[in-house]
Amino acid sequence: GAGVSQSPSNKVTEKGKDVELRCDPISGHTALYWYRQSLGQGLEFLIYFQGNSAPDKSGLPSDRFSAERTGGSVSTLTIQRTQQEDSAVYLCASSLEVPNTEAFFGQGTRLTVV
Amino acid sequence: AQSVAQPEDQVNVAEGNPLTVKCTYSVSGNPYLFWYVQYPNRGLQFLLKYITGDNLVKGSYGFEAEFNKSQTSFHLKKPSALVSDSALYFCAVRPYSSASKIIFGSGTRLSIRP
Repeated sequence: GAGVSQSPSNKVTEKGKDVELRCDPISGHTALYWYRQSLGQGLEFLIYFQGNSAPDKSGLPSDRFSAERTGGSVSTLTIQRTQQEDSAVYLCASSLEVPNTEAFFGQGTRLTVV
Repeated sequence: AQSVAQPEDQVNVAEGNPLTVKCTYSVSGNPYLFWYVQYPNRGLQFLLKYITGDNLVKGSYGFEAEFNKSQTSFHLKKPSALVSDSALYFCAVRPYSSASKIIFGSGTRLSIRP
């Protein structure tokens, strides 16, 4: 596709429910990143994929958070038993694996846990 | 530990005046450095990057950044600010290693007054 696509754009869920957030990266981009941003603040790193493997998932805040990537393309971030503190904008980005290339970001999924 | 620091949470500049948004980094080896901008309710957009060569790099919307290896800095600059430059700016570094996440600073909110 032309850019990084994230769905849904907005998600309101009840506390305790599970949610799945989807990221469709730019075709050919083997590197994929998930970040979390609260209230227009800084970016909190969650997980980095290189192809289908995740060499760095050090940023996942708890075992309620998991992510997978299949076919080296689409990635899903799953949050189980959501809590109010999970409310944030979840941003996905992709890039070529070459480290001197910039990442391209999706518009994000705004998650609100009520 | 690898990190990026943006020491100013907010920078206020009058329209037409020059602006500087500061960034320093701490990484092992030679880093690749990036600036991104985030307009309200939007994803991050790439502005410019330093890979090698000339220490002054030019990017989108008239922005430029100066790489200083001895001071480990990569400050963002613009000779004449516009009200439309008001946004949240992020400095980022990607270490030389090919399998690595992108490390972002905490962000600086730039406010340009008419």
